[in-house]
Amino acid sequence: DVKVTQSSRYLVKRTGEKVFLECVQDMDHENMFWYRQDPGLGLRLIYFSYDVKMKEKGDIPEGYSVSREKKERFSLILESASTNQTSMYLCASSFAGESPLHFGNGTRLTVT
Amino acid sequence: QKEVEQNSGPLSVPEGAIASLNCTYSDRGSQSFFWYRQYSGKSPELIMSIYSNGDKEDGRFTAQLNKASQYVSLLIRDSQPSDSATYLCAVTPKGSYIPTFGRGTSLIVHP
Repeated sequence: DVKVTQSSRYLVKRTGEKVFLECVQDMDHENMFWYRQDPGLGLRLIYFSYDVKMKEKGDIPEGYSVSREKKERFSLILESASTNQTSMYLCASSFAGESPLHFGNGTRLTVT
Repeated sequence: QKEVEQNSGPLSVPEGAIASLNCTYSDRGSQSFFWYRQYSGKSPELIMSIYSNGDKEDGRFTAQLNKASQYVSLLIRDSQPSDSATYLCAVTPKGSYIPTFGRGTSLIVHP
């Protein structure tokens, strides 16, 4: 079974803090993704990566950056957390090509 | 803008009935279609993939794809209260590996 592990299930941070969300997958997937999910807005793609050190902006990259130094790990960074970044963050991975995404358990981030 | 549309619901069905969830998509060249189940407060879980026209069955679940009409549906037979969740449709456009997700349909199965 594919395992996608997100480092924290719940996180509370203060406005202006730098926040790191970590994601690790164990299936040698090429593609990795970061989404946020908010009520009524569905899943929105923040960033994705199709290879080590490669990254592409998704639909809502503003205020975020990412890092992929190793194939199995994809990190999402909130440079200066703001209250409008309070959300559920979901990491996912997939094989190259049109294969399905496998999601981690999610991190519920609250910025106060 | 490639779109995936789902009725937000809630769709309410009695236990033991067939639940029918529908999804339409705008990109005619789309090749891969997925259904995810998401329980409240949890992450999406893949339940079905379908790539060619017709029906695909897996246990109580049947995915149906009609590329000419640009819709994909999910049937859940003998619905159980544990099937109560939000069901997300995802469609991958041709030449892309990034799926477009619908906003999901909330299903409630009442005893």
